[in-house]
Amino acid sequence: ETGVTQSPTHLIKTRGQQVTLRCSSQSGHNTVSWYQQALGQGPQFIFQYYREEENGRGNFPPRFSGLQFPNYSSELNVNALELDDSALYLCASSPGQGLGTGELFFGEGSRLTVL
Amino acid sequence: GQQVMQIPQYQHVQEGEDFTTYCNSSTTLSNIQWYKQRPGGHPVFLIQLVKSGEVKKQKRLTFQFGEAKKNSSLHITATQTTDVGTYFCALMKNAGNNRKLIWGLGTSLAVNP
Repeated sequence: ETGVTQSPTHLIKTRGQQVTLRCSSQSGHNTVSWYQQALGQGPQFIFQYYREEENGRGNFPPRFSGLQFPNYSSELNVNALELDDSALYLCASSPGQGLGTGELFFGEGSRLTVL
Repeated sequence: GQQVMQIPQYQHVQEGEDFTTYCNSSTTLSNIQWYKQRPGGHPVFLIQLVKSGEVKKQKRLTFQFGEAKKNSSLHITATQTTDVGTYFCALMKNAGNNRKLIWGLGTSLAVNP
């Protein structure tokens, strides 16, 4: 296994609600990125956190926000949920810049259904 | 922005047959990564290619990076039912401290026993 854990594994929300997804990165990894994977699609980059700061963002609206904590765990928050937010949300950790092979280590994902 | 195109979208083979998926880009790629995602699972890193013309093997899997670094392929020899899943190619883009992957749409492989 990758050593990256995500919670919850599944959840159901209704339109307009808010959700928080959590991720614990692999030991020694200070970089966490989040991806959204809709059914039948490839993952789409949401944002990345490096040493508690967001340092890159994909094409997602501001209602997608995140945090990284001193222990490098991370949260993804989505406000005002829409039906199209239904997807698998993947967290990936990696070592600091210039380290490692470029490989991302993915968690099992959190599957969000918005009704 | 830079994109990677993958073909075919789906492939259905008999166990023992070979399988190949292709990844193409209109621009030169600095690198290409390959991931496998089992049904209901998460992407698992297979390999990264960075050199022009590079060929790497992992048991029955052979990965190639084109000479012009605009295409890549993954070939599986004598498929097994354990090969079932979606194979993604992805481009790692580095911008300062930011690393993000740009993914192809994947090739879903089904294997008949």
